Amino acid sequence: DQQVKQNSPSLSVQEGRISILNCDYTNSMFDYFLWYKKYPAEGPTFLISISSIKDKNEDGRFTVFLNKSAKHLSLHIVPSQPGDSAVYFCAASAKSGTYKYIFGTGTRLKVLA
Amino acid sequence: DTGVSQNPRHKITKRGQNVTFRCDPISEHNRLYWYRQTLGQGPEFLTYFQNEAQLEKSRLLSDRFSAERPKGSFSTLEIQRTEQGDSAMYLCASSPDRASGNTIYFGEGSWLTVV
Repeated sequence: DQQVKQNSPSLSVQEGRISILNCDYTNSMFDYFLWYKKYPAEGPTFLISISSIKDKNEDGRFTVFLNKSAKHLSLHIVPSQPGDSAVYFCAASAKSGTYKYIFGTGTRLKVLA
Repeated sequence: DTGVSQNPRHKITKRGQNVTFRCDPISEHNRLYWYRQTLGQGPEFLTYFQNEAQLEKSRLLSDRFSAERPKGSFSTLEIQRTEQGDSAMYLCASSPDRASGNTIYFGEGSWLTVV
């Protein structure tokens, strides 16, 4: 049972435009969400996080939006740059019980110059 | 460099051999995690330590897998009698010890190829 889903395996965006990556989750106990970027043969690099008490968090070109009622979060990158081309993973955890993080299957973003 | 350190970065082994990976977490982090990632998938949780205590193990961790964190600092992940299906990237991550809102930071990963 995939508790965290990234339904778009890939996305292509023109340089300078907005990239929107989506993530859905099924477990209503999740209360902390993270986005990671991953280049081939490297470990995931943390990008941005959001707690369930917020609906938006911004860090430079990266903004994460959380819609708890829809169990949906999205990562916006604006403006997109060729160096942003990578695989993006969302992850979720629940405060209660364990502290493990559940990851989605990733979305490969390609930013075209 | 004060990030999570993993070694070896790459390991090629014959089926049936044992392999061991080491992880050195960020020094002030009490929590340490092992994940496995295969092609086209996200990282899959394997196990988690709070200091030296192993608090959770995934069903993915068969009897051939064992992880230790003897002094609450570095950790090792051993795979005995490797199988071709064990070929994957093994990721270690660490985080501070807060009740919630912990960001986990990954190392560069250890690639395992079983031939």
